[in-house]
Amino acid sequence: AQKVTQAQTEISVVEKEDVTLDCVYETRDTTYYLFWYKQPPSGELVFLIRRNSFDEQNEISGRYSWNFQKSTSSFNFTITASQVVDSAVYFCALSETGGFKTIFGAGTRLFVKA
Amino acid sequence: KAGVTQTPRYLIKTRGQQVTLSCSPISGHRSVSWYQQTPGQGLQFLFEYFSETQRNKGNFPGRFSGRQFSNSRSEMNVSTLELGDSALYLCASTNRGLPYEQYFGPGTRLTVT
Repeated sequence: AQKVTQAQTEISVVEKEDVTLDCVYETRDTTYYLFWYKQPPSGELVFLIRRNSFDEQNEISGRYSWNFQKSTSSFNFTITASQVVDSAVYFCALSETGGFKTIFGAGTRLFVKA
Repeated sequence: KAGVTQTPRYLIKTRGQQVTLSCSPISGHRSVSWYQQTPGQGLQFLFEYFSETQRNKGNFPGRFSGRQFSNSRSEMNVSTLELGDSALYLCASTNRGLPYEQYFGPGTRLTVT
């Protein structure tokens, strides 16, 4: 069975701090996709990144970076020098190949204080 | 390119009634998925439609149904509403080619009283 665990329910940081959001997943498939989405207060989920199971290369996009480790089934997300606009709920998600049934974690609510 | 649109944005219904929600995908996207988001259960997959056929289904009772039209627009219907159906219903579209980025609409906030 597929499962995504985001153990951190809420995180509060002060602006300019770095913050890491944890994601641990479970799947029996050898091919799968992992995602991070951001849900700002407006409610609309915004796609941030996708990773497939064969690509363990870390990725950096501006202040965002992702660390994918198959050995620990983790796909963690780091925001460097956080800003107030980063305040949102962040979801980690998993999708098996050939299917579009995406399983979401419970989400981590990030508060960035000025 | 216009994003995913959902109508209505807000809805208040009474227990026992039925409701229909609409989703228009991004132009060119032929797959539409529906999700229910509640504080208690989080984001849960309802179903996915592609080429007017349901391709995947989540673990929801038969009161939840959907359909897709030839222009890829999709509707979901909930019959015999229960208080627990109060949620944000999100629709997502994708062109179903790899990779599977889903583009989400703003959602329909359904309140059942």
